Parts: sequence; C-alpha cells; structure tokens
Amino acid sequence: ETGVTQTPRHLVMGMTNKKSLKCEQHLGHNAMYWYKQSAKKPLELMFVYNFKEQTENNSVPSRFSPECPNSSHLFLHLHTLQPEDSALYLCASSLGLAGGPDTGELFFGEGSRLTVL
Amino acid sequence: AQTVTQSQPEMSVQEAETVTLSCTYDTSENNYYLFWYKQPPSRQMILVIRQEAYKQQNATENRFSVNFQKAAKSFSLKISDSQLGDTAMYFCAFTKAAGNKLTFGGGTRVLVKP
Repeated sequence: ETGVTQTPRHLVMGMTNKKSLKCEQHLGHNAMYWYKQSAKKPLELMFVYNFKEQTENNSVPSRFSPECPNSSHLFLHLHTLQPEDSALYLCASSLGLAGGPDTGELFFGEGSRLTVL
Repeated sequence: AQTVTQSQPEMSVQEAETVTLSCTYDTSENNYYLFWYKQPPSRQMILVIRQEAYKQQNATENRFSVNFQKAAKSFSLKISDSQLGDTAMYFCAFTKAAGNKLTFGGGTRVLVKP
C-alpha cells in the first residue's frame, strides 16, 4: 500500500450514532491532519498532530474527537453529530516539524464522505 | 491570520488551449510557501506546483507554471495545452515557512472541453 488511506469511503449515520473514521499513512511522515470539505466552502483545518501530539484544534466542537496512537494512524471519533456536519473529511500527512525544513506539502487521502441524517 | 482568495469559482477551456487561474493571499509573513493543488472528480487532492516566497523565479512543472508577484501577493496558475485530464477543482494554498498548517482558497472548478 502507498500514500494515505482513509476508511470508510462513505458513511451514513444518525444523530445518535457513534462512528469512527480511520486514516493510515505509509509515507514515514510525522504530521497528520484532519480537514473538513463542505460544498461551496474552503477546506477547513480541524486538527493537526505532530509526533502523536495534538498541536492544533481549530475550535472544533467536542462531538468530533481525534485520536493519534502513533505517527502512522489517525482517527476521528464521531458522536451525536448534526446534519450540518455532513461533508467530505480529508486526512493528510506531511513530514512534520522535526527541527528541519518542512516543505509544507501535504499528501491527502481520498476522503470519507459523511452523511448525517 | 492568513487568508487565500480565489475569485473565479468556475472556468472552462477548450482542449489544447491555455487557462489562467487567479489567487491572492494576505499575510504579514516574509517567508512562506504557496501551492496549487488539484482535486479531480475522484477526490484525492494532489500537489500540482509549489513556490517558495524567497525565490524570485517562477516555478514550472511541465504544462503548469505560476506567476508569483510577491509585492502584489498574487499567485496565478497557468495551464498550457489543456488536456481532458486537467478537469478538476484547483485550490491555491499558503503556509508559513516555519509552520505546517495550510490555508486554502475556496477553489476554482476547471472544465476542459473536447
């Protein structure tokens, strides 16, 4: 496997459900990200992890709970979501802040399309 | 805070012709990186081209080139000899040189017509 892999690709859930999105990167990167992509809106950064530590939480509601057990895996746990949370959730990775130059380039997965009923 | 603006929501171009996408940004930083990303209908976002702010020379990648005007805070993308596979959403993005957080523009949908 190569690159950044996201599962599931599609998810439909009710407002009372609990589900999780998974992201795995095989690039040896140290930083991982969750972005939200809604129709007619710019990509919104949600969370950033560097070396498993959360370094950015962009005022995301607590019904979204990230987890980064190691530098290769990132989860987004979902609980009591709202219909307006329906969107494409993109995971990405990059070299990360390792005390050296980071080109800033992100490598993206194909996304998980979430629909909240 | 940085902002990135793409003023063209949608553009169409005939196959083999040239199209230019505009992007402006606002920052107080002096060192930063700018990017153009492509998101085809299959959805995976891929990097098209990257520019370091300290480099005056415009970046080029095969049929893709940029016009980077630092003073004007402008970063346009030119797609030459457009191909059907260029049909996609194109996003302009910015990051500080010392950071690893990209700020994206709203995107421009490009449709290449046969």
